[in-house]
Amino acid sequence: EVQLVESGGGLVQPGGSLRLSCAAAGLTFSGYWMNWVRQAPGKGLEWVANIKPDGSKQYYVESVKGRFTISRDFAKNSLYLQMNSLRAEDTAVYYCAGVDDSSSYWGQGTLVTVSS
Amino acid sequence: DVVMTQSPLSLPVTLGQPASISCRSSQSLVNSHGNTYLSWFQQRPGQSPRRLIYRVSNRDSGVPDRISGSGSGTDFTLKISRVEAEDVGVYYCMQDTHWPITFGQGTKLEI
Repeated sequence: EVQLVESGGGLVQPGGSLRLSCAAAGLTFSGYWMNWVRQAPGKGLEWVANIKPDGSKQYYVESVKGRFTISRDFAKNSLYLQMNSLRAEDTAVYYCAGVDDSSSYWGQGTLVTVSS
Repeated sequence: DVVMTQSPLSLPVTLGQPASISCRSSQSLVNSHGNTYLSWFQQRPGQSPRRLIYRVSNRDSGVPDRISGSGSGTDFTLKISRVEAEDVGVYYCMQDTHWPITFGQGTKLEI
């Protein structure tokens, strides 16, 4: 059974930092594009960033470029999102999602709240 | 950025009746290799999103065949032939032909 388990969310002040983690099990981690997708309270889905299966290239939505960094650790089968200079508008549930040619798996999400 | 526009945003349905959701993109989703990267997701209340359809019309594993996707270019449709209680939730279309990846606003299906 495939499992993606996010962790690292919490309450942080504006301008602060957080590092989200996503532990993957039950899938060939190196075969999947890995994504972070967020959902603000009561709102729709917004793609944030993703990273190629071999880790060679990363892509970001414009609003987080220069502030967020996505990375992956093949030894630990884990995905990360380093979030710096956080803003109130970054408040959301952050989902980790793995995608290959014919399958898509999502975690349960971790809540990030940016507030003073 | 490619804007994905769904309609309707709210869809009241009757059990056993069909339902249809439209998704239109602001530019063609066909890439230079002739592939179209349009997916549909379902998010049940209190749950994570789940992909139903990828590349316009391919069902993900475990998705019942009463759910189908169709369309081309800029115009796409998700159809449920006979709505069941488990179909309640919000449905999103998503394109990943062009960067950045973008979602539609969501369509809330309710009985």
